[in-house]
Amino acid sequence: AQSVTQPDIHITVSEGASLELRCNYSYGATPYLFWYVQSPGQGLQLLLKYFSGDTLVQGIKGFEAEFKRSQSSFNLRKPSVHWSDAAEYFCAVGVSGGYNKLIFGAGTRLAVHP
Amino acid sequence: EADIYQTPRYLVIGTGKKITLECSQTMGHDKMYWYQQDPGMELHLIHYSYGVNSTEKGDLSSESTVSRIRTEHFPLTLESARPSHTSQYLCASAGQGADQPQHFGDGTRLSIL
Repeated sequence: AQSVTQPDIHITVSEGASLELRCNYSYGATPYLFWYVQSPGQGLQLLLKYFSGDTLVQGIKGFEAEFKRSQSSFNLRKPSVHWSDAAEYFCAVGVSGGYNKLIFGAGTRLAVHP
Repeated sequence: EADIYQTPRYLVIGTGKKITLECSQTMGHDKMYWYQQDPGMELHLIHYSYGVNSTEKGDLSSESTVSRIRTEHFPLTLESARPSHTSQYLCASAGQGADQPQHFGDGTRLSIL
């Protein structure tokens, strides 16, 4: 069965520090992979997506993610975190066929210390 | 930036009332979705639509119903609200093609007293 695991429920980093949020997926075929960010009281905003090609993808707000097929991972990174990055981050895998189904992980809540 | 709008943003209402949550998108997307999200939790798909006059139930059973009479409009209705319906409801849409991401509205936070 398809699934997405985000092992870290909460992460706290200092402003200016680097960040890596982990995401592991289970899916039989080549996955479509997404990272979304959700600020309090808001909907989800797409940060970046991977479909094929270069395994290192660049997104908005200085984020990037690397697809590693051998590890079934799609980790999100940012070299220097800003206080405004505090939010909930969701990894999702797109299931091909039909209605563009997304399977979401449980999310990682990021706190940023000044 | 995606153009998908949800109203109301917040709703506090008593048990037994009929509620309609509105969702509209201006991108001409055929596919639309409703998710339910409890605070700090993952999203669960409750309804989706391939296009006009198409509606399907999602992975999470829900007492709500949806309709799709126009491409841009995908309202969700609760005939008789209960406290167990208290949650955040997120609407999304996507274009054609499996590689098209879903674009989300800002959600409706619903509280049933």
